Amino acid sequence: EPEVTQTPSHQVTQMGQEVILRCVPISNHLYFYWYRQILGQKVEFLVSFYNNEISEKSEIFDDQFSVERPDGSNFTLKIRSTKLEDSAMYFCASRGQIYGYTFGSGTRLTVV
Amino acid sequence: AQTVTQSQPEMSVQEAETVTLSCTYDTSENNYYLFWYKQPPSRQMILVIRQEAYKQQNATENRFSVNFQKAAKSFSLKISDSQLGDTAMYFCAFMNPRSNDYKLSFGAGTTVTVRA
Repeated sequence: EPEVTQTPSHQVTQMGQEVILRCVPISNHLYFYWYRQILGQKVEFLVSFYNNEISEKSEIFDDQFSVERPDGSNFTLKIRSTKLEDSAMYFCASRGQIYGYTFGSGTRLTVV
Repeated sequence: AQTVTQSQPEMSVQEAETVTLSCTYDTSENNYYLFWYKQPPSRQMILVIRQEAYKQQNATENRFSVNFQKAAKSFSLKISDSQLGDTAMYFCAFMNPRSNDYKLSFGAGTTVTVRA
């Protein structure tokens, strides 16, 4: 069964540093997403991406965040200057059919 | 924005017993999709079951079934014959297909512990 692959599984970074979280969506999917889950809390929508541009973003997705699909296969989330409150699990997802979400196994980001 | 409410933060069930998780949502839409996701300790998000609002028949996947009450905006999940591997956090989620991006709105989750 096709999978969404996320790397790394765990990243520790110093506050103020830039991080890039990587995702390889399912190859024939056209819609891509990032969601965030602060430990013990609900999963929150960050951003959706379609046709090489952002289609919607949440209030959380401020100027410190950006997404890119640089080479037609990878889908990245960049946080320019990390804050302690960015510590969370970040999930990438891709979608084929309307309801056909597939989530990756997540990247745990720890900002120290 | 759609609001999804899961009023039970934690539930415990004996192995082989049945447990029901509640979920309510708020929307003015007539057509939408509802989902239950399982998040085990590995923290991966696994789709358990989905329901299209236009379908009156409740969805069933093996030991998992839903009770979809559209007028009441209620979408409960029943886990029958609970197994130790069912121990996880369970999230209810809503999708409005009329939005441009089909994003999911999640509830706060219910932690289910299956006791041996």
